[in-house]
Formats: sequence, structure tokens, C-alpha cells
Amino acid sequence: GENVEQHPSTLSVQEGDSAVIKCTYSDSASNYFPWYKQELGKGPQLIIDIRSNVGEKKDQRIAVTLNKTAKHFSLHITETQPEDSAVYFCAASVVANSKLTFGKGITLSVRP
Amino acid sequence: KAGVTQTPRYLIKTRGQQVTLSCSPISGHRSVSWYQQTPGQGLQFLFEYFSETQRNKGNFPGRFSGRQFSNSRSEMNVSTLELGDSALYLCASSQGVDEKLFFGSGTQLSVL
Repeated sequence: GENVEQHPSTLSVQEGDSAVIKCTYSDSASNYFPWYKQELGKGPQLIIDIRSNVGEKKDQRIAVTLNKTAKHFSLHITETQPEDSAVYFCAASVVANSKLTFGKGITLSVRP
Repeated sequence: KAGVTQTPRYLIKTRGQQVTLSCSPISGHRSVSWYQQTPGQGLQFLFEYFSETQRNKGNFPGRFSGRQFSNSRSEMNVSTLELGDSALYLCASSQGVDEKLFFGSGTQLSVL
């Protein structure tokens, strides 16, 4: 089955700096790669996603890049703000709404 | 639009009991998935329903079961509870097959 690894496990940045979170996956059949943000006491919130036929996608301060050959994808957050502090999960699946395999999560801390 | 609603928010049970968790998807969404989140194992896929049919199932024992009703609401049941079943159970819905997945806030189950 699919295996998704996420690194680093924690990341601390200064407010205004950029943050990059990387994930690798193992199953070449995976076509869908979402990123979720989870705050304390809440469920995961979808922040951006990308499909295998696209190399990069941007949404304001957030971008995701995908390298299918190397089987890795990354989340880029620019101009970080304290409210970006949360746990971020990457995931991979063949079909967007089913059998998502998640990474272990990374705790991002943005220092004011 | 209201988000995914899960009830109850917190639940305490003892070993050997059974429990039923409820999920109301986003209006118009026809697919419902369930995930278990624990500190040790992270987010793990339980099962996915679409139009009252289970389409996919994760690697959990038969004590974990679910169903979906004609109005797309879903319930999951865990029988003969074990201490290791203590977890945050998350429900997620999507508009259809291969569509984005949106999570609820979860039901925190504690088994004593």
C-alpha cells in the first residue's frame, strides 16, 4: 500500500519568513495530493491540493509543487503569520475522496 | 453552507461496550468517509460510503462498521470496545467520487 513520509516533524520560523514542508510517497498510482491544516480541537482543514497532471499550484501565500518522477511534493508558505501556526498534514491517494494516506504531520510554529 | 457535523463531540465508554457515532455531511455531498486519528498512528482511513454503499474499507477489524442513509447521513459503530480504540474519530464528506474531502471536528472517544 501507499506510504507517505513527511519531514521535518517540527519547523519554527520567524514571522514574515517562508516555510517549506516536504513529503514523499511510494505508490506511483497516486494521483491526488492534498494538504491539510489542523488547529487544536479542530478537524483537518483542506488548504490546497494538486493532481498528478499539474506541477505547481498557487493560492495567495500558499503553493504546492509536485515531482512525480521523484515521488515528492512540497508545501510552500510565504510571508508567514502567527495564525499559520498549526499541524500540517500531507496526503496521497488514487481518488480524491477515498483512502487518503496521511503523513505523520508537522508542527509549524511562527514566532512573532 | 454548514460544514460537516459530528455528534457527540466527546464520549467516554468502558471496555466491552459498544458505541455509535453520527455524521451529517455538507449539504449536497453524497460521499462520507471516516478516519481514526491517534497520536501514535496518525490519521488512518476506516471506510468510505457513496449513495449508501461502502466503496472502500481500510485495515481495521470487523468490530468497526458503518452505514450511510438515503439522506447521506452516516453512522459508524464500534463494538466490544478496547482501550486502544481511544481516538479522535473524524468524518469527512465530498460532493462525489474523486472530489475534495472536507472534515468535521471529530468525536473524541475515550475508552476506560
